[in-house]
Amino acid sequence: NAGVTQTPKFQVLKTGQSMTLQCAQDMNHNSMYWYRQDPGMGLRLIYYSASEGTTDKGEVPNGYNVSRLNKREFSLRLESAAPSQTSVYFCASRGTLNEQFFGPGTRLTVL
Amino acid sequence: AQRVTQPEKLLSVFKGAPVELKCNYSYSGSPELFWYVQYSRQRLQLLLRHISRESIKGFTADLNKGETSFHLKKPFAQEEDSAMYYCALGEDNTDKLIFGTGTRLQVFP
Repeated sequence: NAGVTQTPKFQVLKTGQSMTLQCAQDMNHNSMYWYRQDPGMGLRLIYYSASEGTTDKGEVPNGYNVSRLNKREFSLRLESAAPSQTSVYFCASRGTLNEQFFGPGTRLTVL
Repeated sequence: AQRVTQPEKLLSVFKGAPVELKCNYSYSGSPELFWYVQYSRQRLQLLLRHISRESIKGFTADLNKGETSFHLKKPFAQEEDSAMYYCALGEDNTDKLIFGTGTRLQVFP
């Protein structure tokens, strides 16, 4: 099992550019999550999906959109990137005991 | 509102010293608590969950409902324990976790 995978690992964007972060899990989990990690702020939930076909806003959803393509995949899109979106992005999925399994992260820089 | 507080941003100790990373929570029901660890530039990994009452890598954490705390402890720190540690609380009636802001543990040789 690969667990939770994310692509890309690194990305540099210019302000106003768009991009999609990909996430997939092979553990047959229903719930998936996108977080951003910033120094001193911890992990903040951007969006989550409790099941295929459903998505909900988290704590910091502005500037982002998500798609739960199927049970395995949950993508995060930045339509018009801003420097404030420079961060490390983590995808996660939820196991049967409510623990979350995390991907390796995407380090995004917006110039 | 449910909240997790980790009051220390940085904790520095010498190898062999005891370690206690503090975590306090606000929650009125029966909490579900976790500790996650993130080694340098790696993904977060589950370290402990309170319902398991287990010891992982020498770490333990006891839920104290009276003090609403779930502090992480290790009697003798090792250099390889240097990492970022996050306390998390299961949010009531949802699939979400509420994370604290994290404590960076530095263990010096």
